[in-house]
Amino acid sequence: AQSVTQLGSHVSVSEGALVLLRCNYSSSVPPYLFWYVQYPNQGLQLLLKYTTGATLVKGINGFEAEFKKSETSFHLTKPSAHMSDAAEYFCASRGSSASKIIFGSGTRLSIRP
Amino acid sequence: GAGVSQSPRYKVAKRGQDVALRCDPISGHVSLFWYQQALGQGPEFLTYFQNEAQLDKSGLPSDRFFAERPEGSVSTLKIQRTQQEDSAVYLCASTREGTSNYGYTFGSGTRLTVV
Repeated sequence: AQSVTQLGSHVSVSEGALVLLRCNYSSSVPPYLFWYVQYPNQGLQLLLKYTTGATLVKGINGFEAEFKKSETSFHLTKPSAHMSDAAEYFCASRGSSASKIIFGSGTRLSIRP
Repeated sequence: GAGVSQSPRYKVAKRGQDVALRCDPISGHVSLFWYQQALGQGPEFLTYFQNEAQLDKSGLPSDRFFAERPEGSVSTLKIQRTQQEDSAVYLCASTREGTSNYGYTFGSGTRLTVV
């Protein structure tokens, strides 16, 4: 069955430091992969997506993610954290039926001043 | 409209009460999805419509949950005889395409609290 695993339910970094949020997926079909961000009391906003082609994907707010098939990973990075990046981040994958997206359990990112 | 609109934003229901949650997707979007997000968890798929057809309802947790999209635009998620375990944020999303390949646009959700 399709699944998405996010390593670390909570990540804390200092302002200006590298952000690395980890995601691994399992898929029996070519994966379509996504990162979403959720601010308190809001819906989910798409940060970036991998469909086909270039494995390094750039998104909004300076985030990027790299699809590594050999590692079944799609980790999210940002070179320099900003206070406004504090939020919940969800990795997701298209399900095998292509009719739905399956989400990981989320990683809460905190930024220390 | 410009985005996916959900109403009400907050709903408090007494246990056993029926509730109806509304989703107004982006105009022209073919596909509509409902998700349930429990506190501290990722969204869990409930059901999917393509136009007015409900193509996948495998995530509905019980027969107390019912969704409809009669004219292929606005959708309603109905929960009968609410239970405390139904307390969650219910998210609606839509997409122009008929698949999930390119991601969704989400609404802000309805937070349901059953007391």
